[in-house]
Amino acid sequence: RKEVEQDPGPFNVPEGATVAFNCTYSNSASQSFFWYRQDCRKEPKLLMSVYSSGNEDGRFTAQLNRASQYISLLIRDSKLSDSATYLCVVNGRGSTLGRLYFGRGTQLTVWP
Amino acid sequence: NAGVTQTPKFRVLKTGQSMTLLCAQDMNHEYMYWYRQDPGMGLRLIHYSVGEGTTAKGEVPDGYNVSRLKKQNFLLGLESAAPSQTSVYFCASSYPPSREGWNYDTQYFGPGTRLTVL
Repeated sequence: RKEVEQDPGPFNVPEGATVAFNCTYSNSASQSFFWYRQDCRKEPKLLMSVYSSGNEDGRFTAQLNRASQYISLLIRDSKLSDSATYLCVVNGRGSTLGRLYFGRGTQLTVWP
Repeated sequence: NAGVTQTPKFRVLKTGQSMTLLCAQDMNHEYMYWYRQDPGMGLRLIHYSVGEGTTAKGEVPDGYNVSRLKKQNFLLGLESAAPSQTSVYFCASSYPPSREGWNYDTQYFGPGTRLTVL
């Protein structure tokens, strides 16, 4: 089983739509959770960290459900500039401490 | 701060040639990483380092070697390049994970090196 699983999409939504991405992780001891964004042919960049109580940054809301080992990202009022691949990221613990595990990414295209 | 830089940005090699990719960071991060990214495969960890003078194997280490002689630099070497090593290579760095705080170990990536092996 992969450490992080996420729906690859693609998601194609119109401007202004609300879209949600989900991912699951396998290591119940993981303590760090992130969403990264990767534009075509560019490096991954941190979009937001995910905290246990859930957190919001403008149009973006991240949720963590530790019992179900599930992370979500909600994007409201989608913009054309939100088109990218979104990577779910979880850290390793124990023997894999210091490593981050990346999902394969969910591709989003926002159309006018 | 320049953050994480990588050289070169592009390279074409012939099978059997060798080369070294250089990663440098100016954020005083302890941890550094080398990944490769192929279509449909996501990011795969090649090697990583938790401090100067230390290295460890990741998920796909075969055919690669690394060195971390200075804290700010992490070198990735291909001794005898193969077409299967055609990929985009990303370097990243981070602080170590914190026992107390979450999300301390955010990784920051360099712009990548596009390598083609013919």
